[in-house]
Amino acid sequence: GEDVEQSLFLSVREGDSSVINCTYTDSSSTYLYWYKQEPGAGLQLLTYIFSNMDMKQDQRLTVLLNKKDKHLSLRIADTQTGDSAIYFCAEIVYGQNFVFGPGTRLSVLP
Amino acid sequence: DAGVTQSPTHLIKTRGQQVTLRCSPKSGHDTVSWYQQALGQGPQFIFQYYEEEERQRGNFPDRFSGHQFPNYSSELNVNALLLGDSALYLCASSLGLAGGLSSYNEQFFGPGTRLTVL
Repeated sequence: GEDVEQSLFLSVREGDSSVINCTYTDSSSTYLYWYKQEPGAGLQLLTYIFSNMDMKQDQRLTVLLNKKDKHLSLRIADTQTGDSAIYFCAEIVYGQNFVFGPGTRLSVLP
Repeated sequence: DAGVTQSPTHLIKTRGQQVTLRCSPKSGHDTVSWYQQALGQGPQFIFQYYEEEERQRGNFPDRFSGHQFPNYSSELNVNALLLGDSALYLCASSLGLAGGLSSYNEQFFGPGTRLTVL
């Protein structure tokens, strides 16, 4: 079955690193994604990782994938107030569509 | 290059009414997916349209229906509205069907239509 879980809230100080975690259940996932949603806006793709990769780095963003534990994480280095938003983990399974987690609300304190 | 556009931005209906939401995909995209995002939750997949046909469907009742036009734009129709249908409805466009192995199937999302059912 398909299920994606995330912790609902995370609070960090400006300049610190943020780590947002996600677990998924479907081992058939081909790609895993991180989306960002700001208030009143749609979803913006931040980064993605193919299921045969362990890590992907893109500027301040680092994605780690542990397929054995079905665990995905997003690390944001040097977190800024503009990073305050809701972050969604999503998976896509071959032949199916996207399954999103409930979202993690990141609050960045000055 | 316009991204995904949706109309209207906000909509208020009463129980039992019917509603139509509209979506224009990003230029060059041929696939449209619809999602329902209830307050405080992640988006839930409703269905996906490709080549004017519904190709995939999530766990939504038949009250939810859609259409895709030859220009790839799409409509979402909801009949016999319930209070629980109040949500943000997101449209996403992509090139080709989701789930293929040849690409990462990036979906571009519109800003959504906020539907309130009273």
